[in-house]
Amino acid sequence: EPEVTQTPSHQVTQMGQEVILRCVPISNHLYFYWYRQILGQKVEFLVSFYNNEISEKSEIFDDQFSVERPDGSNFTLKIRSTKLEDSAMYFCASSERGGYNEQFFGPGTRLTVL
Amino acid sequence: QKEVEQNSGPLSVPEGAIASLNCTYSDRVSQSFFWYRQYSGKSPELIMSIYSNGDKEDGRFTAQLNKASQYVSLLIRDSQPSDSATYLCAVNRGYSTLTFGKGTMLLVSP
Repeated sequence: EPEVTQTPSHQVTQMGQEVILRCVPISNHLYFYWYRQILGQKVEFLVSFYNNEISEKSEIFDDQFSVERPDGSNFTLKIRSTKLEDSAMYFCASSERGGYNEQFFGPGTRLTVL
Repeated sequence: QKEVEQNSGPLSVPEGAIASLNCTYSDRVSQSFFWYRQYSGKSPELIMSIYSNGDKEDGRFTAQLNKASQYVSLLIRDSQPSDSATYLCAVNRGYSTLTFGKGTMLLVSP
């Protein structure tokens, strides 16, 4: 069964460093998403991406964040200058169509900022 | 503020019993509703989606939606210890965003 994959599974970085989290969405899906979950808290929406542009973003997704689809399979989230409070699980998700459609999540990347 | 509310639990049920999980949402324009299961340290796994009022059954799972009351529930029949997890309710207004509740922890004892 097709699934979303993410790399790395765990990323440790120093405050102020740039990190890139990578995702390979399900191959026939057209809509891509990033969510994050701080330990013990709820899953929060960051950004959605369709047709090579951001379709929606949350207040969390400020100028330190960017997304890119560098090729036909990868979808990346970049954090330019990490802060301690960026430590969280970051989940990539994809859906076949947008709107009401079901979103399928990858296994996540645990980001630890020291 | 668009909120999705769930009782954090834990909800404890014996093996073989019915587990009933509830969720309320504040945004009346919400159009689609999802239940995800999340094991500790893992990602959300989609188990049910429901779009219209009434019941939707899939194996041991039944989702129920009442838009007038802004209420969605999940019933798990014949609960198994492997069902022990946190169940997340998520709501979509028709755009990209899923708004999640904090989840209800379910514990199924053998």
